[in-house]
Amino acid sequence: ELKVEQNPLFLSMQEGKNYTIYCNYSTTSDRLYWYRQDPGKSLESLFVLLSNGAVKQEGRLMASLDTKARLSTLHITAAVHDLSATYFCAVDGNLGNTPLVFGKGTRLSVIA
Amino acid sequence: DAGVTQSPTHLIKTRGQHVTLRCSPISGHKSVSWYQQVLGQGPQFIFQYYEKEERGRGNFPDRFSARQFPNYSSELNVNALLLGDSALYLCASSLILYNSPLHFGNGTRLTVT
Repeated sequence: ELKVEQNPLFLSMQEGKNYTIYCNYSTTSDRLYWYRQDPGKSLESLFVLLSNGAVKQEGRLMASLDTKARLSTLHITAAVHDLSATYFCAVDGNLGNTPLVFGKGTRLSVIA
Repeated sequence: DAGVTQSPTHLIKTRGQHVTLRCSPISGHKSVSWYQQVLGQGPQFIFQYYEKEERGRGNFPDRFSARQFPNYSSELNVNALLLGDSALYLCASSLILYNSPLHFGNGTRLTVT
């Protein structure tokens, strides 16, 4: 059974600081997704990582994937208040049609 | 283009009642998936439909059922509601069945009292 673990689950960081969110998964997969969710809202797709070594960047966020280590990271550079949200990673297995399995999410709060 | 639309946005039901949630996928998308998100948790997979056929089912009781219509819209039905069914129900559509990114709707917030 595919399991996805994120850490930390809660993160309070000051504006301007850097931090990394980690996503570990338990079985082989080369497809990983990062989503953002604002309170009471749906999931917004941030990144789709489709191969080992994939790195994608959008603004202050950068995501990477290491399929051998079964690890993805979401790096936040010079955080701003607008980045406050819950971030989820999600993985699907390599067995054809397998549903996405989500981590529990990292609730990020950026404070002045 | 319209995204994934879900209705209703909010719903309050009492224990034992039945509920039907509706979802219209992005135009051209043939696959619809349903997820349940309990407060403070990540979404959990309930069902996936493609071309009107069930293609995947998560670990949910038989009280949960769904179907997909010829226009690719979908309904999620939950019978004999329990307090623990209170959650945000998310519908997601994708272009094809495999290896296709999911696009989520805004969800239906179900409260069971």
